[in-house]
Amino acid sequence: DTEVTQTPKHLVMGMTNKKSLKCEQHMGHRAMYWYKQKAKKPPELMFVYSYEKLSINESVPSRFSPECPNSSLLNLHLHALQPEDSALYLCASSRDGSGQETQYFGPGTRLLVL
Amino acid sequence: KNEVEQSPQNLTAQEGEFITINCSYSVGISALHWLQQHPGGGIVSLFMLSSGKKKHGRLIATINIQEKHSSLHITASHPRDSAVYICAARTGGSRLTFGEGTQLTVNP
Repeated sequence: DTEVTQTPKHLVMGMTNKKSLKCEQHMGHRAMYWYKQKAKKPPELMFVYSYEKLSINESVPSRFSPECPNSSLLNLHLHALQPEDSALYLCASSRDGSGQETQYFGPGTRLLVL
Repeated sequence: KNEVEQSPQNLTAQEGEFITINCSYSVGISALHWLQQHPGGGIVSLFMLSSGKKKHGRLIATINIQEKHSSLHITASHPRDSAVYICAARTGGSRLTFGEGTQLTVNP
C-alpha cells in the first residue's frame, strides 16, 4: 500500500469557521508533510513532522495548526482563515525525512475560503 | 533567481514526439526528484536521482552533478502524458525546493 489519503477532497468555509483537514498513510512512514499550492505555482512547504514531532514550521500563520496524533495520521486545523488561504493543501509522507527518500503525496484537499 | 529553474514553462507536442524537460539548480543537493501533477491535483513521484540515469517505461531521467542539470525525457509521447512536470531538489534533510513546473500538453 503506497497510498496517502486525504479528506475531505473539497472544503468551502467561511472566515469564522473552524475546520480540519485529515491525512492518513499506512506505509510505516515516520515523516509527514503539509504543503500549500496556489494555482499554477509549485507546492510550498508548511510543516514537517518527524517521528510525531514538529520538525519544520515554515513561518506559517497561527490560524493553521498542525497535529500528528500518531505515526499514521496528520491533521491540519483551520481557524479564522482569509480568502487568500484558498488553495490546494497537499499532504505527503516519506520513510523518516532524513535522507534520500521518495515523498508520497496525497490527492489534496481543495479549500475555498469565502 | 530561483534556486531551481525549469524550462520550458509550457510545452505542446504531437502524439509520438520525443519530449525533453530541463531542470537546473544552483544549490548543493543530495537528490533531485521529478514529479508529475495531473489537473486533479494529485502528485506522483516519478524519479529520485542522485547520479546517472534512471528509466521507467517511456520515461528517462538523467542528472549531471558537475553541471547541476537534470533532464526528463518522454519517448513516444501520448495524450495521457499531459500534466505538469515538476523538478524538486532535496537541499537539506527533508526539505524540497521546487521548480516552477512545466505544463506539457500532448495532442492526438
